[in-house]
Amino acid sequence: EVQLVESGGGLVTPGGSLRLSCVASRFTFSLYSMNWVRQAPGKGLEWVSGITSSGEHIYFSDAMKGRITISRDDAKNSLYLQMNDLRADDTAVYYCARTDCTTSSCYLDYWGQGTLVTVSS
Amino acid sequence: QSALTQPPSVSGAPGQTVTISCTGSSSNIGAGYDVHWYQQGPGTAPKLLIYGNNKRPSGVPDRISGSRSGTSASLAITGLQADDEADYYCQSYDDSLNYIFGTGTKVSVL
Repeated sequence: EVQLVESGGGLVTPGGSLRLSCVASRFTFSLYSMNWVRQAPGKGLEWVSGITSSGEHIYFSDAMKGRITISRDDAKNSLYLQMNDLRADDTAVYYCARTDCTTSSCYLDYWGQGTLVTVSS
Repeated sequence: QSALTQPPSVSGAPGQTVTISCTGSSSNIGAGYDVHWYQQGPGTAPKLLIYGNNKRPSGVPDRISGSRSGTSASLAITGLQADDEADYYCQSYDDSLNYIFGTGTKVSVL
């Protein structure tokens, strides 16, 4: 079955940076758009960013626009999220998720186990 | 990017049916974008439950069903079981082609 494994989370001070990684396996990574979704402690799901299969199109949520960069390396079956100027309210579990689509919208058919980012002094 | 609105919690006895609503607007569900549903157990990652309003991925039982009408959607769980206790989220698109999630509903089995 499809596998997504995130890493790179940890404790960072406010204003700091962190780079998350997601390694994919058991599917042809280069053919799929990918996303990052986060979940603050005790809160709901929030989409953060997405990148198309070619890397040509990139999308960001308003909450993190200007502070994050999403990228992918198809040779390494990997997805990345570079986060800068982190704030306390960025504290969350960050999930990597694969995209699939119907004719009218897309959804997230496989998710990783998540990596916890804690922003605190 | 406002979230879709769901009831915070619903509950039912084993064997009963519970329904979770998901209310959007003319810029998301009402614009014709499909609705999808996820189940999240305690301490686990979300799992796709329904896609394309009413389609079940392989392995999801047919006592789980979804529907969409106008600016809202709903998820029904019939024959409620103990392992249905989880958080449930709807998801659609908005006009910026961004993913938008529901506020989440906790299902409790009495």
